[in-house]
This record gives sequence, structure tokens and C-alpha cells, in this order.
Amino acid sequence: GESVGLHLPTLSVQEGDNSIINCAYSNSASDYFIWYKQESGKGPQFIIDIRSNMDKRQGQRVTVLLNKTVKHLSLQIAATQPGDSAVYFCAENSGAGSYQLTFGKGTKLSVIP
Amino acid sequence: NAGVMQNPRHLVRRRGQEARLRCSPMKGHSHVYWYRQLPEEGLKFMVYLQKENIIDESGMPKERFSAEFPKEGPSILRIQQVVRGDSAAYFCASSMARGNQPQHFGDGTRLSIL
Repeated sequence: GESVGLHLPTLSVQEGDNSIINCAYSNSASDYFIWYKQESGKGPQFIIDIRSNMDKRQGQRVTVLLNKTVKHLSLQIAATQPGDSAVYFCAENSGAGSYQLTFGKGTKLSVIP
Repeated sequence: NAGVMQNPRHLVRRRGQEARLRCSPMKGHSHVYWYRQLPEEGLKFMVYLQKENIIDESGMPKERFSAEFPKEGPSILRIQQVVRGDSAAYFCASSMARGNQPQHFGDGTRLSIL
């Protein structure tokens, strides 16, 4: 079946460096994508979203890039801080107006002080 | 500014008992979703409800599981006659509208079956 997946299961970065977390998706009908951050023992926390009519969106210290040609999504975190350590999930809907989110397995980001 | 509230945070049940998980959506949100998460995996969709209506329960096992979102009160996910395989974290999310909207999650209920 179609699914969302992540290239790297773990990522270690030095504090202050930029982080890039990648995600591949296979459902070409998906038109809405969300990045979530999940800390241990907590629920997924919304970071940023992007619709398929955009290829870039910026938030506070975060940027999401969407490449529909190769079905690739990335999350860039600028000046990574220890508080950014968590598991990051990308999620996609299943097409126009769909409400079901399909999650990837997650990438664990560890920030080295 | 209360977010999505779930209780209990931890629930322990013996095989064969019933588990009831509660979820109060964010203020102003009338769309509720339940997801299940196994260790080191992503979340899997179970059911989508609006007030008094189940819109999509395609991700929920047909037996032993049920969900409701009454006109008054929280949404309830009910698991009857629990088995060891039901052990997981169950998350509730809510949104203001249907489709292409951020879903905001609670901190989940961790269900353990003895």
C-alpha cells in the first residue's frame, strides 16, 4: 500500500547547527502535509504544514520544502537547540479534502550540547 | 488556552476487562480523530467523529472497539474484552474543520494490558 516514509531513522546534530529531516511519500494524490514533533511521553505537536500548491513555507526557525516531482518533503530547523531533541514525523492526507493522516515512522533528532 | 485533553494518561487493565478512553477537543473544535501508536512507530488512524456522528471508522477493528462523540461531553473510545495486543498509546486529535486542517493532538492514554 502507499505510505509515508523517512530516509533517516536517527539524526545527531551539534547545538547551533541546522538540521534537515527528510521524508518520502508515495501517494501522488496527497495535497496536504504536516510536520509534527513528539517528545517522550507526549502527543505529537504541530510544527508546520504545507499544501501541495506551495513548494516552501517558513515558520519560526523552521522551513518545510515540498518537491512534488520526486515526492519529497523536508523539514529544516535553523540553529538547532537542545529543546529540539525529539522524534519528528511527517504526515500526509490522502487527497483533496481527506481528513485521514498517514504518518511515517519518525526520525529521532538528538542535539549534542 | 486548553489544548486537547485526554484522560486517563495511563490505564492498566486485565485481559477481558473494558477500557474507556476520554477526549475533550480544543475549544471551538467539533472534529475529533482517534489514532493508535505502537512503540517506535507512527500513528495509525482509527476513527473520525463529529458531534453525535461517526464519519469514518475504517481504521478501527470491527469487533470490541467503538467510539462516540455525544452532543454534550467528551469523545469516548471504548475497548471491550481487552487483549494483550490492545496495549498501545491512543491519541486523540481535534480540528476546526474537516480536511486540510491541522490536527492538534492530546498527550494520549497509554493502555497496558496485564
